[in-house]
Amino acid sequence: DIQMTQSPSSLSASVGDRVTITCRASQSISSYLNWYQQKPGKAPKLLIYAASSLQSGVPSRFSGSGSGTDFTLTISSLQPEDFATYYCQQSYSIPYSFGQGTKLEIK
Amino acid sequence: QVQLQESGPGLVKPSQTLSLTCTVSGGSISSGGYYWSWIRQHPGKGLEWIGYIYYSGSTYYNPSLKSRVTILIDTSKNQFSLKLSSVTAADTAVYYCARTATGSPIDYWGQGNLVTVSS
Repeated sequence: DIQMTQSPSSLSASVGDRVTITCRASQSISSYLNWYQQKPGKAPKLLIYAASSLQSGVPSRFSGSGSGTDFTLTISSLQPEDFATYYCQQSYSIPYSFGQGTKLEIK
Repeated sequence: QVQLQESGPGLVKPSQTLSLTCTVSGGSISSGGYYWSWIRQHPGKGLEWIGYIYYSGSTYYNPSLKSRVTILIDTSKNQFSLKLSSVTAADTAVYYCARTATGSPIDYWGQGNLVTVSS
């Protein structure tokens, strides 16, 4: 199975900051990498798919990059509603494993 | 617009079987190409694949749960279900049903069903 490792596990930032979260796969997954945002009590919401494609309706301050084993999610200017937990997930090989999550907190 | 809705008891006794159903609306569960999945999230923790069922009936189960998990599909009711046997407190979690496809992200999720294992 492919292991997904996110860093950092938690992050404190302020409104307006630029934030980057990284995700590393234990083997190459081409561009089969997705990012989700989860708020307390809610199901995860798809933000980015295929490493860099923005899901419809997601603000353009979210962007993704990378291929192979190393990927990043960037939020260009944090908004109050962005404080949440973020997960990466590979869809290259069953089981489509998740990273352990990055909790983004208000500084 | 496809919607998924979990249903089932919120409290299960230890050693019993957890049973949940996911009802799919806005699309046919029989349409090919989709993995109808169960994912769980322990309180305050990350996301764990339990398994999936393909429209044809083929399944995948997480090896750590394989001996206790059964996922079934009922195309006549547009539903799929999860059974997890011999539960313990460690199975207390929010259980999500979800839809994905080969090479694709999870595009639809249920709202989640908190199941507590307690006597």
